[in-house]
Amino acid sequence: GAGVSQSPSNKVTEKGKDVELRCDPISGHTALYWYRQSLGQGLEFLIYFQGNSAPDKSGLPSDRFSAERTGGSVSTLTIQRTQQEDSAVYLCASSSSSARDGYTFGSGTRLTVV
Amino acid sequence: GESVGLHLPTLSVQEGDNSIINCAYSNSASDYFIWYKQESGKGPQFIIDIRSNMDKRQGQRVTVLLNKTVKHLSLQIAATQPGDSAVYFCAEKVSGGNKLVFGAGTILRVKS
Repeated sequence: GAGVSQSPSNKVTEKGKDVELRCDPISGHTALYWYRQSLGQGLEFLIYFQGNSAPDKSGLPSDRFSAERTGGSVSTLTIQRTQQEDSAVYLCASSSSSARDGYTFGSGTRLTVV
Repeated sequence: GESVGLHLPTLSVQEGDNSIINCAYSNSASDYFIWYKQESGKGPQFIIDIRSNMDKRQGQRVTVLLNKTVKHLSLQIAATQPGDSAVYFCAEKVSGGNKLVFGAGTILRVKS
């Protein structure tokens, strides 16, 4: 597609439920990133995928968070047993190589845990 | 993850004036820097980037300056327009690393 697409754009879930957030990167981009942005704050790195290499999961805040990338394209971020502190905007970005040409971000998924 | 502050600094400028947004980056091993603009409800939008072998780069109405000695990055916007109102983030990438580390952001408000 023309840009990075994320779905849903908004998600309200009850505490304790699992949620899945989806990211469709720009076609041909080999690198994909997930970031989290809490209200009024900067972007916190979560996870990075590059081609067939093992993902860099160093930013995942707990074992309730996981992500996968199927076929080197679409990625899903899963949050299990959601907590209120998980409420944030989850942003996905892709690039054609490892952070050398500026990442292109999607519009994000706003997650609200009630 | 990296921690950031709850209250973003705000820069208010008059329409037509020049704006300078500053950023102190954290890692002397960083070799690539990007400025992003984020409008309400949208993802960050790439503005301009610079590599560590340069100290200045110009784009359309924007200039980025890099001072590696004091680990300082600035974004200059010429003839600021109302459409420039947004939150601006600097980001750095460590040489050989995979991820961009973002600063806390600065709110730019343009007064007409």
